[in-house]
Amino acid sequence: EVQLVQSGAEVKKPGESLRLSCKGSGYSFTSYWISWVRQMPGKGLEWMGRIDPGDSRADYNPSFQGHVTISADKSISTAYLQWGGLKASDTAMYYCARQDPSGWFPLGYWGQGTLVTVSS
Amino acid sequence: DIQMTQSPSSLSASVGDRVTITCRASQSFSRFLNWYQQKSGKAPKLLIYAASSLQSGVPSRFSGSGSGADFTLTISSLQPEDFATYYCQQTYSSPFTFGPGTTVHIK
Repeated sequence: EVQLVQSGAEVKKPGESLRLSCKGSGYSFTSYWISWVRQMPGKGLEWMGRIDPGDSRADYNPSFQGHVTISADKSISTAYLQWGGLKASDTAMYYCARQDPSGWFPLGYWGQGTLVTVSS
Repeated sequence: DIQMTQSPSSLSASVGDRVTITCRASQSFSRFLNWYQQKSGKAPKLLIYAASSLQSGVPSRFSGSGSGADFTLTISSLQPEDFATYYCQQTYSSPFTFGPGTTVHIK
């Protein structure tokens, strides 16, 4: 069974750093991209970027580039989303999703989400 | 970036109704269009990929159509469990943008 299990909820202060994790299981981790999606409170879905765990090449939405870093450790089948300096506007639910790299690139499997709250 | 719009932004419907949601892209592409369902407090779920292909395990009352810049999601007979928000997403070019969503409410 394909599963993506994300790390738990976080409460942080502005300026702090944070790394979220997403562990894949039940499939070949290096055969599929991992995408990250943001959902701010009461709002829609925003694609942040993706990584190919096979070669760790990442592709970012320009709206997020420079503010977050997407990485992966294929040895432990885990992808990461990290911030060097959080802002209050980073308060959101963050989802990882497995993206099929062949054909039509849908996000076929999703993690359960990680809620990030940034408040002073 | 490709901009995605959806209409309507919300609708009210009754169980058994036929529901149609439209998604329009700011430029044409082939069939790189996916539809997702999100229920309150849950992660999104893939319903349709490649504009018209039903994801495994998704009920056949869901269907997708369209190509170019205009796409449609149809629910042939709305069921109680279908009340949710629906998003389209283009995966033709990065960034892989989502539409703003359509919320289906109970009438």
